[in-house]
Amino acid sequence: AQSVTQLDSHVSVSEGTPVLLRCNYSSSYSPSLFWYVQHPNKGLQLLLKYTSAATLVKGINGFEAEFKKSETSFHLTKPSAHMSDAAEYFCVVSTRPGYSTLTFGKGTMLLVSP
Amino acid sequence: EPEVTQTPSHQVTQMGQEVILRCVPISNHLYFYWYRQILGQKVEFLVSFYNNEISEKSEIFDDQFSVERPDGSNFTLKIRSTKLEDSAMYFCASSETEANVLTFGAGSRLTVL
Repeated sequence: AQSVTQLDSHVSVSEGTPVLLRCNYSSSYSPSLFWYVQHPNKGLQLLLKYTSAATLVKGINGFEAEFKKSETSFHLTKPSAHMSDAAEYFCVVSTRPGYSTLTFGKGTMLLVSP
Repeated sequence: EPEVTQTPSHQVTQMGQEVILRCVPISNHLYFYWYRQILGQKVEFLVSFYNNEISEKSEIFDDQFSVERPDGSNFTLKIRSTKLEDSAMYFCASSETEANVLTFGAGSRLTVL
């Protein structure tokens, strides 16, 4: 069965400093991996996706993630945090080839201080 | 940008009552989904729906749950007799094809007392 583990429930950074949100996955086949973000009272918004093409994936709002098969990781990074980045971030793996059934991580709350 | 719309945003109900959560998927999408997140736990898949029938469901989606597309725009999740453990945030999602990325709604928070 596919699964994802988000290693931190909360991450706190100062505005302008780098962001690192960690995710490890387990999959019996080559997975599709995603990062979703949820701002308060908003839906889950897709940040980026990995689907076996380039291992470094660029997403919206300056975020990127690198797929590392040897480490079974898909960490999310951003060089410089902005106050508007404060939200909950979910690492997600597709349960089977094709995207429809997704397995979510528990989420990481990103806190950004001035 | 097209959105998935969910109503109500928050519903409080008594245990044993029926609840219907409503969703308006993106108009040209053909696949519809419900997920839920119990407070402090992971977002979990409930059910997927295509061509007016359930295409996949999880163990959570028991006989207490049903889904329906009553008209050309709405997609509903019904819980027949709510239990305390049904309290959760319920997310609706839709996609154009099975292989497309899901677009999620903002969620409906259900509180069962």
